[in-house]
Amino acid sequence: DGGITQSPKYLFRKEGQNVTLSCEQNLNHDAMYWYRQDPGQGLRLIYYSQIVNDFQKGDIAEGYSVSREKKESFPLTVTSAQKNPTAFYLCASSFDRGTYEQYFGPGTRLTVT
Amino acid sequence: AQSVTQLDSQVPVFEEAPVELRCNYSSSVSVYLFWYVQYPNQGLQLLLKYLSGSTLVKGINGFEAEFNKSQTSFHLRKPSVHISDTAEYFCAVTVTGNQFYFGTGTSLTVIP
Repeated sequence: DGGITQSPKYLFRKEGQNVTLSCEQNLNHDAMYWYRQDPGQGLRLIYYSQIVNDFQKGDIAEGYSVSREKKESFPLTVTSAQKNPTAFYLCASSFDRGTYEQYFGPGTRLTVT
Repeated sequence: AQSVTQLDSQVPVFEEAPVELRCNYSSSVSVYLFWYVQYPNQGLQLLLKYLSGSTLVKGINGFEAEFNKSQTSFHLRKPSVHISDTAEYFCAVTVTGNQFYFGTGTSLTVIP
């Protein structure tokens, strides 16, 4: 089945540690995105990538880093510089042109204590 | 820059009653509009989208939305809701297809 997988579903870390969230897609989509979701704030764009080895900052990129070494994969690292990392993180992908529709993964809930 | 306003954060409605979830956007250029649904602790699923053409768009699960350019609105409607429609609904807009702007969401609760 085609789709987007995010792992793990729940992640717990101690403050001061970097943590990497996985996102893989087998939809042959060109573009991939990372969003952060907080209660009452909707989705906010962290980073997006339209092609391999290229990515752009979104509205809240500070304290996060990404890589796009393969078309299928777009991991997100939450660094210790992110002041409020506890949140629900959603990965999405889409074709670069045409339908513009984004397909979402199931999300990773990160808790930092 | 674009922005999306979902006017109601919570909408309770009785089962089999009609519902409208409101969405207004701001943009100085033409936009593409989307409605997504999110069930607890899950990702978002596309309900429907407006790219061009007919302003009345039909989606999955009996939902439809109407694009109104003069009022910059894209309200979501369903004539008769079911318990299973209880979820969070997000309106989204994009101009370029690269950056999407989401509203803060509307929590729909269907009351038996």
